[in-house]
Amino acid sequence: EDQVTQSPEALRLQEGESSSLNCSYTVSGLRGLFWYRQDPGKGPEFLFTLYSAGEEKEKERLKATLTKKESFLHITAPKPEDSATYLCAVGAQGGSEKLVFGKGTKLTVNP
Amino acid sequence: DADVTQTPRNRITKTGKRIMLECSQTKGHDRMYWYRQDPGLGLRLIYYSFDVKDINKGEISDGYSVSRQAQAKFSLSLESAIPNQTALYFCATSAGPISYNEQFFGPGTRLTVL
Repeated sequence: EDQVTQSPEALRLQEGESSSLNCSYTVSGLRGLFWYRQDPGKGPEFLFTLYSAGEEKEKERLKATLTKKESFLHITAPKPEDSATYLCAVGAQGGSEKLVFGKGTKLTVNP
Repeated sequence: DADVTQTPRNRITKTGKRIMLECSQTKGHDRMYWYRQDPGLGLRLIYYSFDVKDINKGEISDGYSVSRQAQAKFSLSLESAIPNQTALYFCATSAGPISYNEQFFGPGTRLTVL
Protein backbone atom coordinates (compact mmCIF):
# COMPACT_ATOMS: atom_id res chain seq x y z
CA GLU A 1 0.00 0.00 0.00
CA ASP A 2 1.29 3.46 -0.89
CA GLN A 3 2.06 5.54 2.18
CA VAL A 4 3.39 8.98 3.05
CA THR A 5 4.49 9.83 6.59
CA GLN A 6 5.51 13.31 7.66
CA SER A 7 7.46 14.13 10.79
CA PRO A 8 7.35 15.82 13.13
CA GLU A 9 3.62 16.56 13.36
CA ALA A 10 4.41 19.97 14.80
CA LEU A 11 7.59 22.01 15.12
CA ARG A 12 8.28 25.22 16.99
CA LEU A 13 11.34 27.26 16.06
CA GLN A 14 12.77 30.58 17.07
CA GLU A 15 13.30 33.08 14.30
CA GLY A 16 16.64 32.28 12.66
CA GLU A 17 16.77 28.71 13.97
CA SER A 18 17.23 26.43 10.95
CA SER A 19 15.65 22.97 10.83
CA SER A 20 14.26 20.28 8.53
CA LEU A 21 10.92 18.62 7.94
CA ASN A 22 10.79 14.99 6.85
CA CYS A 23 8.56 13.15 4.38
CA SER A 24 9.06 9.38 4.20
CA TYR A 25 7.28 7.51 1.46
CA THR A 26 6.55 4.00 0.25
CA VAL A 27 5.06 3.92 -3.22
CA SER A 28 4.99 1.58 -6.15
CA GLY A 29 7.06 3.69 -8.49
CA LEU A 30 7.58 7.38 -7.82
CA ARG A 31 6.29 9.80 -10.43
CA GLY A 32 6.72 13.00 -8.47
CA LEU A 33 7.07 14.25 -4.91
CA PHE A 34 5.36 17.52 -4.07
CA TRP A 35 5.67 20.04 -1.26
CA TYR A 36 2.80 22.41 -0.55
CA ARG A 37 2.37 25.15 2.02
CA GLN A 38 -1.03 25.64 3.66
CA ASP A 39 -1.94 28.70 5.72
CA PRO A 40 -4.91 28.57 8.12
CA GLY A 41 -8.19 28.99 6.28
CA LYS A 42 -6.57 28.72 2.86
CA GLY A 43 -5.94 26.11 0.21
CA PRO A 44 -2.55 24.47 -0.25
CA GLU A 45 -0.03 26.49 -2.26
CA PHE A 46 2.49 24.71 -4.46
CA LEU A 47 6.16 24.95 -3.48
CA PHE A 48 8.21 22.25 -5.25
CA THR A 49 8.11 19.12 -7.35
CA LEU A 50 10.97 16.60 -7.23
CA TYR A 51 11.14 13.74 -9.71
CA SER A 52 14.24 11.67 -9.00
CA ALA A 53 16.62 10.81 -6.17
CA GLY A 54 19.37 13.37 -5.79
CA GLU A 55 17.28 16.23 -7.07
CA GLU A 56 17.22 19.49 -5.08
CA LYS A 57 15.19 22.67 -5.46
CA GLU A 58 15.38 25.98 -3.64
CA LYS A 59 13.10 28.93 -3.10
CA GLU A 60 14.08 31.73 -0.75
CA ARG A 61 14.68 30.13 2.66
CA LEU A 62 13.38 26.71 1.59
CA LYS A 63 15.29 23.84 0.04
CA ALA A 64 13.75 20.49 -0.86
CA THR A 65 15.80 17.33 -1.36
CA LEU A 66 14.87 13.80 -2.42
CA THR A 67 16.24 10.32 -1.82
CA LYS A 68 14.74 6.96 -2.78
CA LYS A 69 12.88 6.74 0.53
CA GLU A 70 12.35 10.28 1.79
CA SER A 71 12.36 13.97 1.15
CA PHE A 72 13.48 16.80 3.39
CA LEU A 73 12.30 20.38 3.42
CA HIS A 74 15.13 22.42 4.90
CA ILE A 75 14.25 25.82 6.30
CA THR A 76 17.19 28.17 6.73
CA ALA A 77 16.94 31.10 9.12
CA PRO A 78 13.14 30.99 9.24
CA LYS A 79 10.98 34.04 9.80
CA PRO A 80 7.56 34.24 11.49
CA GLU A 81 5.93 34.45 8.06
CA ASP A 82 7.17 30.93 7.33
CA SER A 83 4.70 29.65 9.92
CA ALA A 84 2.26 27.32 8.14
CA THR A 85 1.43 23.66 7.66
CA TYR A 86 3.69 22.00 5.11
CA LEU A 87 2.18 19.13 3.14
CA CYS A 88 4.05 16.42 1.27
CA ALA A 89 2.37 14.42 -1.51
CA VAL A 90 3.65 11.60 -3.67
CA GLY A 91 2.49 10.66 -7.13
CA ALA A 92 2.65 6.95 -7.80
CA GLN A 93 2.34 4.57 -10.70
CA GLY A 94 -1.02 2.85 -11.05
CA GLY A 95 -2.98 5.70 -12.53
CA SER A 96 -2.27 9.22 -13.71
CA GLU A 97 -4.28 10.66 -10.83
CA LYS A 98 -2.79 8.54 -8.07
CA LEU A 99 -1.52 10.99 -5.46
CA VAL A 100 -1.08 10.30 -1.75
CA PHE A 101 -0.87 13.17 0.74
CA GLY A 102 0.80 13.11 4.11
CA LYS A 103 -0.89 14.59 7.18
CA GLY A 104 1.39 17.60 7.24
CA THR A 105 3.84 19.29 9.62
CA LYS A 106 2.63 22.39 11.40
CA LEU A 107 5.51 24.85 11.68
CA THR A 108 5.45 27.77 14.08
CA VAL A 109 8.26 30.32 13.99
CA ASN A 110 8.38 32.61 16.99
CA PRO A 111 9.89 36.11 16.73
CA ASP B 1 -8.56 37.92 -8.85
CA ALA B 2 -8.08 34.38 -7.58
CA ASP B 3 -7.52 31.69 -10.21
CA VAL B 4 -9.69 29.12 -8.42
CA THR B 5 -12.74 30.27 -6.49
CA GLN B 6 -15.16 28.33 -4.33
CA THR B 7 -18.62 29.17 -3.04
CA PRO B 8 -19.80 29.20 -0.37
CA ARG B 9 -16.78 29.63 1.90
CA ASN B 10 -18.70 28.42 4.94
CA ARG B 11 -21.88 26.42 5.23
CA ILE B 12 -23.80 24.97 8.14
CA THR B 13 -26.58 22.53 7.31
CA LYS B 14 -28.65 19.79 8.86
CA THR B 15 -28.59 16.05 8.39
CA GLY B 16 -30.53 14.96 5.31
CA LYS B 17 -30.29 18.26 3.44
CA ARG B 18 -28.96 18.50 -0.11
CA ILE B 19 -25.89 20.69 -0.46
CA MET B 20 -24.02 21.95 -3.50
CA LEU B 21 -20.51 23.36 -3.44
CA GLU B 22 -19.34 25.25 -6.49
CA CYS B 23 -15.93 25.79 -8.04
CA SER B 24 -14.84 28.09 -10.85
CA GLN B 25 -11.42 28.51 -12.40
CA THR B 26 -9.71 30.91 -14.76
CA LYS B 27 -6.54 28.82 -15.19
CA GLY B 28 -7.80 27.35 -18.45
CA HIS B 29 -7.10 23.82 -17.19
CA ASP B 30 -9.13 20.85 -18.34
CA ARG B 31 -8.51 18.81 -15.19
CA MET B 32 -10.47 19.64 -12.06
CA TYR B 33 -10.63 17.89 -8.67
CA TRP B 34 -12.58 17.81 -5.44
CA TYR B 35 -10.85 16.93 -2.15
CA ARG B 36 -11.86 16.80 1.48
CA GLN B 37 -9.54 17.51 4.39
CA ASP B 38 -10.16 16.27 7.91
CA PRO B 39 -8.10 17.04 11.01
CA GLY B 40 -5.35 14.47 11.41
CA LEU B 41 -5.87 13.07 7.92
CA GLY B 42 -4.31 13.90 4.60
CA LEU B 43 -6.22 15.37 1.69
CA ARG B 44 -8.41 12.73 0.06
CA LEU B 45 -9.69 12.79 -3.49
CA ILE B 46 -13.46 12.62 -3.96
CA TYR B 47 -13.99 13.05 -7.71
CA TYR B 48 -12.11 14.36 -10.70
CA SER B 49 -12.91 15.42 -14.24
CA PHE B 50 -10.87 15.73 -17.40
CA ASP B 51 -13.61 17.52 -19.34
CA VAL B 52 -17.39 17.99 -19.29
CA LYS B 53 -17.98 14.43 -20.50
CA ASP B 54 -15.36 12.72 -18.36
CA ILE B 55 -16.11 12.24 -14.64
CA ASN B 56 -14.18 9.83 -12.45
CA LYS B 57 -14.53 8.58 -8.90
CA GLY B 58 -11.72 9.16 -6.48
CA GLU B 59 -10.79 7.49 -3.24
CA ILE B 60 -13.92 8.43 -1.28
CA SER B 61 -16.83 9.10 -3.66
CA ASP B 62 -19.65 7.42 -1.71
CA GLY B 63 -22.27 9.95 -0.65
CA TYR B 64 -21.10 12.53 -3.17
CA SER B 65 -21.87 13.43 -6.78
CA VAL B 66 -20.41 15.97 -9.17
CA SER B 67 -21.33 17.96 -12.25
CA ARG B 68 -18.97 19.54 -14.78
CA GLN B 69 -21.06 22.30 -16.29
CA ALA B 70 -18.26 23.80 -18.40
CA GLN B 71 -14.50 23.69 -18.64
CA ALA B 72 -14.33 26.30 -15.91
CA LYS B 73 -17.01 25.01 -13.54
CA PHE B 74 -17.12 21.88 -11.38
CA SER B 75 -19.72 21.36 -8.65
CA LEU B 76 -19.82 18.88 -5.77
CA SER B 77 -23.15 17.76 -4.31
CA LEU B 78 -24.05 15.98 -1.12
CA GLU B 79 -27.46 14.46 -1.87
CA SER B 80 -28.32 13.82 1.77
CA ALA B 81 -25.75 15.29 4.12
CA ILE B 82 -24.63 13.37 7.19
CA PRO B 83 -22.50 14.55 10.15
CA ASN B 84 -19.37 12.63 9.13
CA GLN B 85 -19.27 14.74 5.96
CA THR B 86 -18.31 17.69 8.13
CA ALA B 87 -14.94 18.72 6.70
CA LEU B 88 -12.98 21.27 4.72
CA TYR B 89 -13.55 20.84 0.98
CA PHE B 90 -11.12 21.98 -1.68
CA CYS B 91 -11.38 22.29 -5.42
CA ALA B 92 -8.20 22.10 -7.48
CA THR B 93 -7.07 22.26 -11.08
CA SER B 94 -4.08 20.90 -12.95
CA ALA B 95 -2.57 21.23 -16.41
CA GLY B 96 -1.76 17.51 -16.49
CA PRO B 97 -1.84 14.28 -14.45
CA ILE B 98 -1.54 15.11 -10.77
CA SER B 99 0.87 12.26 -10.15
CA TYR B 100 3.57 14.50 -11.66
CA ASN B 101 2.01 17.95 -12.15
CA GLU B 102 1.35 20.67 -9.61
CA GLN B 103 -2.17 21.54 -8.58
CA PHE B 104 -3.79 24.91 -7.95
CA PHE B 105 -6.19 24.88 -5.03
CA GLY B 106 -9.15 27.06 -4.21
CA PRO B 107 -9.58 28.68 -0.79
CA GLY B 108 -11.82 25.91 0.51
CA THR B 109 -15.36 25.52 1.83
CA ARG B 110 -15.86 24.71 5.49
CA LEU B 111 -18.94 22.50 5.74
CA THR B 112 -20.62 21.61 9.02
CA VAL B 113 -23.43 19.04 9.08
CA LEU B 114 -25.45 19.07 12.29
